[in-house]
Amino acid sequence: EIVLTQSPGTLSLSPGERATLSCRASQSIGSRYLAWYQQKPGQAPRLLIYAASSRATGIPDRFSGSGSGTDFTLTISRLEAEDFAVYYCQQYGSGLTFGGGTKVEIK
Amino acid sequence: QVQLVQSGTEVKKPGASVKVSCRASGYTFTANYLHWVRQAPGQGLEWMGWINTESGGTNYAQKFQDGVTMTRDTSRSTAYMELTSLRSDDTAVYYCAREDGDSFGLDFWGQGTLVTVSS
Repeated sequence: EIVLTQSPGTLSLSPGERATLSCRASQSIGSRYLAWYQQKPGQAPRLLIYAASSRATGIPDRFSGSGSGTDFTLTISRLEAEDFAVYYCQQYGSGLTFGGGTKVEIK
Repeated sequence: QVQLVQSGTEVKKPGASVKVSCRASGYTFTANYLHWVRQAPGQGLEWMGWINTESGGTNYAQKFQDGVTMTRDTSRSTAYMELTSLRSDDTAVYYCAREDGDSFGLDFWGQGTLVTVSS
């Protein structure tokens, strides 16, 4: 099973700041099979990024994804109030697993 | 518009079984795999498995190999997830989610079903 490790566990930032979230895989995965989700309290997750760098339908361009192999990054260029949430990476290259999540909180 | 509507909250005793349904609308039910993901209180997301809604074939996460059964009824555009021999640590919100065949992302999710296991 591929393990995804997300860091940091919590990111404390102010609106307007840049957020950089990391996802590291225990073995190499194809970029096509790496996705990012946003989850707010009491809601289902929402697909943000698929294939490591493609934005899902309706996702603002302040969200971007990058990376390959074992290291992937989700960047939020300028945080807006609605972006404070928990973010999960997910791989589908070998079985399917989620990372443990990064909480982006208001500083 | 695509919608996945799940059945309501369940309260079960340890050792019992639970069956959660996920009714799809707004697209061709058999065109996309459906996945099941659970989330224990205050915890992260845990993938349980998927069902090929066309063939009925399944792929379960190793952890759930013995305890979960995923089925579907194409006439009702509904998928089901049954979990047996429930324990307290099965208390969680259970989600169904549609896999987009092009992106492999889980692009639409049900609203979640809370299953509480308590004596």
